[in-house]
Amino acid sequence: GENVEQHPSTLSVQEGDSAVIKCTYSDSASNYFPWYKQELGKGPQLIIDIRSNVGEKKDQRIAVTLNKTAKHFSLHITETQPEDSAVYFCAASKSTGGFKTIFGAGTRLFVKA
Amino acid sequence: ETGVTQSPTHLIKTRGQQVTLRCSSQSGHNTVSWYQQALGQGPQFIFQYYREEENGRGNFPPRFSGLQFPNYSSELNVNALELDDSALYLCASSWVDRASNEQFFGPGTRLTVL
Repeated sequence: GENVEQHPSTLSVQEGDSAVIKCTYSDSASNYFPWYKQELGKGPQLIIDIRSNVGEKKDQRIAVTLNKTAKHFSLHITETQPEDSAVYFCAASKSTGGFKTIFGAGTRLFVKA
Repeated sequence: ETGVTQSPTHLIKTRGQQVTLRCSSQSGHNTVSWYQQALGQGPQFIFQYYREEENGRGNFPPRFSGLQFPNYSSELNVNALELDDSALYLCASSWVDRASNEQFFGPGTRLTVL
């Protein structure tokens, strides 16, 4: 069935360093790839997304890359700060409005001050 | 503009009971999706409602059912609760159109089944 694999499950970096999280999806029909940040006691919050017709997107310290051929996409956070510490989820969808969005298992990011 | 809200925050039930969870969508959104998030896992898609009709379903049994009301608020009902139903239940609202895929999540309802 449809699947999204996410690595690593835990990531610890020093403040100011970069963090990279990688995901692989199985359904080649997927065309929308959001990334969510979830803090303790809260629901996931969209931080950046990318559509299948774009290879890279950047928003300040956050960037996402997509390789459709390899079915890989990655999240890059530069100049990490302690408030970046949270659980990050990648996801894949093949329709609008979140229909049957498949999530990865999550990456717990620790940013040490 | 108000965000997505869910009630209750926490709930404890015993095996075999039934539960109803509620979600109020973000203003103007016509679609709501429900997800189950087990501890340490990513959210799993349960189903989606669009204009009061079920618009697709994940791999969940029929004892998981839902409703969407004309004001776009929504309910998730779970019958014959099992221990494995213990999880955080999230709803997410969105506006289904060609330009936007974004979902807005509520804070979730933590369900514990004893």
